[in-house]
Amino acid sequence: QVQLQESGPGLVKPSETLSLTCTVSGASISSYYWSWIRQPPGKGLEWIGYISYSGSTNYNPSLKSRVTISIDTSKNQFSLKLSSVTAADTAVYYCAKMTTLTTLDYWGQGTLVTVSS
Amino acid sequence: QSVLTQPPSASGTPGQRVTISCSGSSSNIGSNPVNWYQQLPGTAPKLLIYTNNQRPSGVPDRFSGSKSGTSASLAISGLQSEDEADYYCAAWADSLNALVFGGGTKLTVL
Repeated sequence: QVQLQESGPGLVKPSETLSLTCTVSGASISSYYWSWIRQPPGKGLEWIGYISYSGSTNYNPSLKSRVTISIDTSKNQFSLKLSSVTAADTAVYYCAKMTTLTTLDYWGQGTLVTVSS
Repeated sequence: QSVLTQPPSASGTPGQRVTISCSGSSSNIGSNPVNWYQQLPGTAPKLLIYTNNQRPSGVPDRFSGSKSGTSASLAISGLQSEDEADYYCAAWADSLNALVFGGGTKLTVL
């Protein structure tokens, strides 16, 4: 059974960097592509970006200048960094496993990150 | 404003058939497969339909998907109270080189 678990601070100050990690179990991170998606409270889903098992990345153009996704195959984890955050970055952040560029077949439970001083 | 357009809400009574539309363009739905995700209240989204009309294991055959040109649809037959959820369509957008979601449709079972 594939499981994903997001972890990281639930509160980040404006202008600082949001950092989250997704720990994968039940699947080898070296075999698939992995995505981050976010959902502001009461709003829809927004794809942030993906990373391949080899470390190649692709980011949403609207966030590209502030996003870095990395992978640690030794820990079966991948991570998200979003810099210069504002209140608009307050959202539930999900990590997900990809089988194709659009097929997110397993999701983490999500973690709420609030940007506030 | 989302690249893919969905109606914000839909409703039906138990046993009814409802459809949810998803409209895009030639650079997204028109040239790439569509997936649908179901998000029950307070939970993470779940893959419901992939590659336009394929159901993952465990998804009831009451759920079906279709695509024609630059639009796609999700149909739910024999509506049940547990189908009350938000539904999102998604497709790759070639012009943006990004995965895009519809704005979501809130389904209410009356």
